Amino acid sequence: GQNIDQPTEMTATEGAIVQINCTYQTSGFNGLFWYQQHAGEAPTFLSYNVLDGLEEKGRFSSFLSRSKGYSYLLLKELQMKDSASYLCAFHYGGSQGNLIFGKGTKLSVKP
Amino acid sequence: DAGITQSPRHKVTETGTPVTLRCHQTENHRYMYWYRQDPGHGLRLIHYSYGVKDTDKGEVSDGYSVSRSKTEDFLLTLESATSSQTSVYFCATSTVQGRSYGYTFGSGTRLTVV
Repeated sequence: GQNIDQPTEMTATEGAIVQINCTYQTSGFNGLFWYQQHAGEAPTFLSYNVLDGLEEKGRFSSFLSRSKGYSYLLLKELQMKDSASYLCAFHYGGSQGNLIFGKGTKLSVKP
Repeated sequence: DAGITQSPRHKVTETGTPVTLRCHQTENHRYMYWYRQDPGHGLRLIHYSYGVKDTDKGEVSDGYSVSRSKTEDFLLTLESATSSQTSVYFCATSTVQGRSYGYTFGSGTRLTVV
């Protein structure tokens, strides 16, 4: 079957580093998305990992291990504005395929 | 994003009435999607379209229908709204460019069924 799991909530301190984990199970895996969603707003794209390894984009990095069905999002130098929900989603199927989303991890950044 | 517009942004409707939500895109993307987002469930796919007049069901399609008569417009209709359909509805489009896959969301429609 298909499933995806991520922690419901996390709390971290401003200036610190936080890692949000995501595990998934599927066949026909194409890639793994991470989105950021502030309360009352639409999800916005952070990263899309197709190959194993770490991809860095400024303060945000995303890691993928296809053999383990595992990904994480790493946020460095946390800022108050990083308080949001972070959604992971795996992309499966053909060239277009579809996405299956996790329930999201609500991150609270405290001073 | 300016490329995807959802209307209305907010709507309150009564149980049993039909409701239509509109998604308009200027990106010329072939694929379009309707999701609903509820606390504790995350984003769930309702219906999607892979071209004009080509649509298919998603995970939670019961009570919903869609139509796509033009590339740029994808309509979601609640045949007879129920309180369980109170939710935030997001439209999305996708495109494939080589190894890159883009998936973008509209701003959402908050629907309340009373």
